[in-house]
Amino acid sequence: EVQLVESGGGLVKPGGSLRLSCAASGFTLRDYMMNWVRQAPGKGLEWVASVDSSSSSIYYADSLKGRFTISRDNPKNSVYLQMNSLRAEDTAIYYCARDAGGFGFDSWGPGSLVSVST
Amino acid sequence: QSALTQPASVSGSPGQSITISCTGTSSDVGRYNYVSWYQQYPGKAPKLVIYDVKNRPSGVSDRFSGSKSGNTASLTISGLQAEDEASYYCSSYTTFSTLVFGGGTELTVL
Repeated sequence: EVQLVESGGGLVKPGGSLRLSCAASGFTLRDYMMNWVRQAPGKGLEWVASVDSSSSSIYYADSLKGRFTISRDNPKNSVYLQMNSLRAEDTAIYYCARDAGGFGFDSWGPGSLVSVST
Repeated sequence: QSALTQPASVSGSPGQSITISCTGTSSDVGRYNYVSWYQQYPGKAPKLVIYDVKNRPSGVSDRFSGSKSGNTASLTISGLQAEDEASYYCSSYTTFSTLVFGGGTELTVL
């Protein structure tokens, strides 16, 4: 069974940093592009970043460039999102999602809540 | 990159069909056949129901169908059921090698 599980979320002060992890199981991670998608409370989905299977192509939402970094470790079956200079507007549930091709995300984790507040 | 435009809400009675539109630009929906649709229940992760404009993943009911004309994609749900009440989001690949989502549509089954 394909499974994605996010971890590392929590409460952080504005300007702080957080690293999210996504543990993948039930499939061969190195065969897939992976993504992070977030959803602010009561709001819609927002694509954050993607990394291809070999980490040779990485893309970010324009609004997040320079603050967030996506990475992966295929032997460890993990994908990461390093978030720096966090702002209140970064408060959201962060989902890890597998790209089945053509940016269709066929598997999602349950999400990890990140709260940025004093 | 602006979000794709979806109606905030739609409604229909059981057994009826509804269509949710998703309007983008010639840089995303109009340029690529990489439009996907997701169903999301409150407090749950999204679920893929349509990919590549009109393809259904294994296990998704054939009551769900997708199409595209110009810069607008559409999701149609036929034979509406109570369990279809959820939020629906479209997404599209863009010329900037990024992904953009629609603002979401809340479907109410009357």
